[in-house]
Amino acid sequence: RKEVEQDPGPFNVPEGATVAFNCTYSNSASQSFFWYRQDCRKEPKLLMSVYSSGNEDGRFTAQLNRASQYISLLIRDSKLSDSATYLCVVNVDYGQNFVFGPGTRLSVLP
Amino acid sequence: EAQVTQNPRYLITVTGKKLTVTCSQNMNHEYMSWYRQDPGLGLRQIYYSMNVEVTDKGDVPEGYKVSRKEKRNFPLILESPSPNQTSLYFCASRPGPTVYGYTFGSGTRLTVV
Repeated sequence: RKEVEQDPGPFNVPEGATVAFNCTYSNSASQSFFWYRQDCRKEPKLLMSVYSSGNEDGRFTAQLNRASQYISLLIRDSKLSDSATYLCVVNVDYGQNFVFGPGTRLSVLP
Repeated sequence: EAQVTQNPRYLITVTGKKLTVTCSQNMNHEYMSWYRQDPGLGLRQIYYSMNVEVTDKGDVPEGYKVSRKEKRNFPLILESPSPNQTSLYFCASRPGPTVYGYTFGSGTRLTVV
């Protein structure tokens, strides 16, 4: 079983749609969690950290369920500029062990 | 501007010719790391450093070396590049053992022929 698994995608959605991405992780010792976005051939950029209580940043909402070892990202009112690959990232023990998921590609269509 | 700077952005080289990819950060971060990204394999950690003179292997260290003589710099060295090291490379840094994520450099696209 891979350490971090994500919806394989791709997701093709119309502008204005709501889209949700799922991620599961296998290491129960994982301490911190993130969502990154990556545009084609560019560096990954931190979108948001994921906290146990859930957190929201504008149109983006992240949820963490430690019992199920599951993380989600919800994007509301999708924009064309949201088209990118979304990477789920898990960090064990706040150390160097950052494990990246394979990514889910999103295309927002006009 | 807070950033991680990698050079060069693009590099084509021949098998066996030693090369160095430089990485520098201006955020006084303790932790630095090198990743490679390949289609279908995602981001994989090559080496990391937790402070000056403290480095360790990641998941795919074979064929690479690193050094951390100053806090801001973390060069990646390929002593004898081979075609299977053709990849997109990213340097990244973060403050230390905290909840903060990595900040990535813009990447180096390396082709070994």
